[in-house]
Amino acid sequence: DAGITQSPRHKVTETGTPVTLRCHQTENHRYMYWYRQDPGHGLRLIHYSYGVKDTDKGEVSDGYSVSRSKTEDFLLTLESATSSQTSVYFCAISESPGHALYGYTFGSGTRLTVV
Amino acid sequence: GESVGLHLPTLSVQEGDNSIINCAYSNSASDYFIWYKQESGKGPQFIIDIRSNMDKRQGQRVTVLLNKTVKHLSLQIAATQPGDSAVYFCAENRRAGSYQLTFGKGTKLSVIP
Repeated sequence: DAGITQSPRHKVTETGTPVTLRCHQTENHRYMYWYRQDPGHGLRLIHYSYGVKDTDKGEVSDGYSVSRSKTEDFLLTLESATSSQTSVYFCAISESPGHALYGYTFGSGTRLTVV
Repeated sequence: GESVGLHLPTLSVQEGDNSIINCAYSNSASDYFIWYKQESGKGPQFIIDIRSNMDKRQGQRVTVLLNKTVKHLSLQIAATQPGDSAVYFCAENRRAGSYQLTFGKGTKLSVIP
């Protein structure tokens, strides 16, 4: 998707290992989000950021941490991966407050498998 | 692509017919709604949005209807095409001024050629 890149696109990792997923944007948007998508659950918010070094938890934040040291990068870390964290992870960005459009732009996703 | 279609409600429509995808929301304070389309192996894409002070909004081949009385949202796709086959999600902004969206579980639309 234009302006937002997720890496890696696919990853297989072992239980107990740390994993970091990266989201990079070139749109200079203030807000960034990490979602996970699982069958039967839809998209669920893990963490979000409303500025550099400003982050907050979403509804399924346990087992995850995030960091945002630059406007363009938002990292999601699984400190010790578990099989329940096997999922497709999406990053999204949105405009600064005051803009009429609230909608998100999503990345293409990262498929993570924990074995 | 990712198998996000498992366990989803499915709507099968003949090519050329109109499609109606429904979504119920729970928060009467939600002030903004969006429909997204997700094709296999891709991230969700914005289709159309509507604010709570509107009942209807039209785009190119798509119309969104909002019924606040029963907290119901629908997406109508005119003259459905094979390229419309995808999973469709509604999303709501439950807190005014917040930029957090809450997503529905989605409906899988299959277009029969």
